[in-house]
Amino acid sequence: KNEVEQSPQNLTAQEGEFITINCSYSVGISALHWLQQHPGGGIVSLFMLSSGKKKHGRLIATINIQEKHSSLHITASHPRDSAVYICAVPLFRGEAGTASKLTFGTGTRLQVTL
Amino acid sequence: DAGVTQSPTHLIKTRGQQVTLRCSPKSGHDTVSWYQQALGQGPQFIFQYYEEEERQRGNFPDRFSGHQFPNYSSELNVNALLLGDSALYLCASSFRTGVAGANVLTFGAGSRLTVL
Repeated sequence: KNEVEQSPQNLTAQEGEFITINCSYSVGISALHWLQQHPGGGIVSLFMLSSGKKKHGRLIATINIQEKHSSLHITASHPRDSAVYICAVPLFRGEAGTASKLTFGTGTRLQVTL
Repeated sequence: DAGVTQSPTHLIKTRGQQVTLRCSPKSGHDTVSWYQQALGQGPQFIFQYYEEEERQRGNFPDRFSGHQFPNYSSELNVNALLLGDSALYLCASSFRTGVAGANVLTFGAGSRLTVL
């Protein structure tokens, strides 16, 4: 069983739809990252959160540490949102600086059509 | 403010050769991590450098080695290349402080290595 699991693996939506991507993890963490990867490889960090909810534009990320679950929501989706969305958690906690040793989920490939 | 820069962006090598990839971290960042992303897969952690030392290492053979320089830039070296080493190699930088696991990461665009 993967330590970080995402669902769905693939998602097709029409422009304007509300989108939810889920991430469940089995390891204890202090923070979770949501990342966006466009074709060609570049990864952009969307959110890093350790509790509650964060919002940036049309993107909203929530996390429930007790349930080990996080969701990424996209409101009013647009074709430019088409990308792979990845959640990632640190493999270890306790030592400052270990944040960058991440375990990645397999990603959710989102395609938003007109 | 430049983000993480990686070079080269693309390269082709043959089996048995050696390759060096380079990464300059975002200004103000002092920690560099390297990831390997095979086609269709999520990134896999290779190792992390801080204060010019390897601090953490993933499940990669000794053929994968690295270095960090005093200016925080880093190199990833892979010896005796195998076909399976073909992948996108990503560098991520962060600042080693704050709550464990909560450091903001900045990723580079990656170096795409093809081994023939």
